[in-house]
Amino acid sequence: AQTVTQSQPEMSVQEAETVTLSCTYDTSENNYYLFWYKQPPSRQMILVIRQEAYKQQNATENRFSVNFQKAAKSFSLKISDSQLGDTAMYFCAFLPSSGTYKYIFGTGTRLKVLA
Amino acid sequence: DTGVSQNPRHKITKRGQNVTFRCDPISEHNRLYWYRQTLGQGPEFLTYFQNEAQLEKSRLLSDRFSAERPKGSFSTLEIQRTEQGDSAMYLCASSPSGAGNTEAFFGQGTRLTVV
Repeated sequence: AQTVTQSQPEMSVQEAETVTLSCTYDTSENNYYLFWYKQPPSRQMILVIRQEAYKQQNATENRFSVNFQKAAKSFSLKISDSQLGDTAMYFCAFLPSSGTYKYIFGTGTRLKVLA
Repeated sequence: DTGVSQNPRHKITKRGQNVTFRCDPISEHNRLYWYRQTLGQGPEFLTYFQNEAQLEKSRLLSDRFSAERPKGSFSTLEIQRTEQGDSAMYLCASSPSGAGNTEAFFGQGTRLTVV
């Protein structure tokens, strides 16, 4: 069974600084997708960034980038130039590419950006 | 289309009562998912529909839970004989079919409180 672990329940960062959120996962699959979703307070979850396991190049979306280490089963999210609007719960998620659409989520990291 | 819509947003019910939640996915999204999120946890998969067919069900979905998606459009999630342990946020998500369409679009959820 696949598992996703986020070991940082809470983090804080000063506005304009850089922060890295950690995620590790366990799977025997070779092909899969990894995601970071953001859940702002009282709002719906939205996709921040996605990584396909067969791609060695780390995904980047503006201020958000990942460090994907397939052998280590690690998938961290780096947020550069943090903004107050980045304050949210961040969930790491795993999806096998084997035909199931069952996303496996971690327990989340609550990020607070300080002014 | 303004995204995935869930109703009601909040529901308070007495233990033993039945409740039903509705989810309207984004138009033309073939896939529809239900997740449950308890405090301090990430979303947990409940069930998944491809059009009107329920293709996967979690063991979390006991016989008191039933989900339907008639005509492949909106979906309902019913919980019979509610228990206090059913108190949670129930999230609905949808996505288009097709290889590579892995982003799930989430609604704001229905928060259930069983008293």
